[in-house]
Amino acid sequence: NAGVTQTPKFRILKIGQSMTLQCTQDMNHNYMYWYRQDPGMGLKLIYYSVGAGITDKGEVPNGYNVSRSTTEDFPLRLELAAPSQTSVYFCASSYLGLAGGSYEQYFGPGTRLTVT
Amino acid sequence: GQQVMQIPQYQHVQEGEDFTTYCNSSTTLSNIQWYKQRPGGHPVFLIQLVKSGEVKKQKRLTFQFGEAKKNSSLHITATQTTDVGTYFCAGLPGNNDMRFGAGTRLTVKP
Repeated sequence: NAGVTQTPKFRILKIGQSMTLQCTQDMNHNYMYWYRQDPGMGLKLIYYSVGAGITDKGEVPNGYNVSRSTTEDFPLRLELAAPSQTSVYFCASSYLGLAGGSYEQYFGPGTRLTVT
Repeated sequence: GQQVMQIPQYQHVQEGEDFTTYCNSSTTLSNIQWYKQRPGGHPVFLIQLVKSGEVKKQKRLTFQFGEAKKNSSLHITATQTTDVGTYFCAGLPGNNDMRFGAGTRLTVKP
């Protein structure tokens, strides 16, 4: 299994540009998450999804959009990039069955985004 | 809003010394997780605690979950250079909105 993969690894955007960060997992996890990590800080949840077709806002959703059309993919969209969105973005997934279980999250390698 | 606070922010130790990081929540947590992130890397899951007062050990690492399920700690005995990294706690306050602490950055001098 490749686990959680993210593309691109690095990206520089100009203010006002848009882009989509891709995230794919091959572990058949039903939960997926997007976090941002600013330098020297912890992770802040942007959006999450508990299954295909279902998404919900996290702590810092403004300026972002997501969709979850399949179990495997959870892209993150930035419509009008701003310098405040300069950060490292991590996608993660976890499995939680109907009988409960661990929320252990598997993280992708991250996308380092700079907006200038 | 719901907050997960973690202290200290930084800890520098001599190899062989012990290390502890603490995590405190303003609300009761249904569970707490601990992750380690090496410099330039991504967070890697260490453990999950669910029960009040739970204690779990992984070799030199000891994890505790408080009786009130509002605080937790990670203790490393006799640190090694391989322990270098940032340790994060992450709490689940009852919904699916996982909240991470800011992390404790551990450096170890050989």
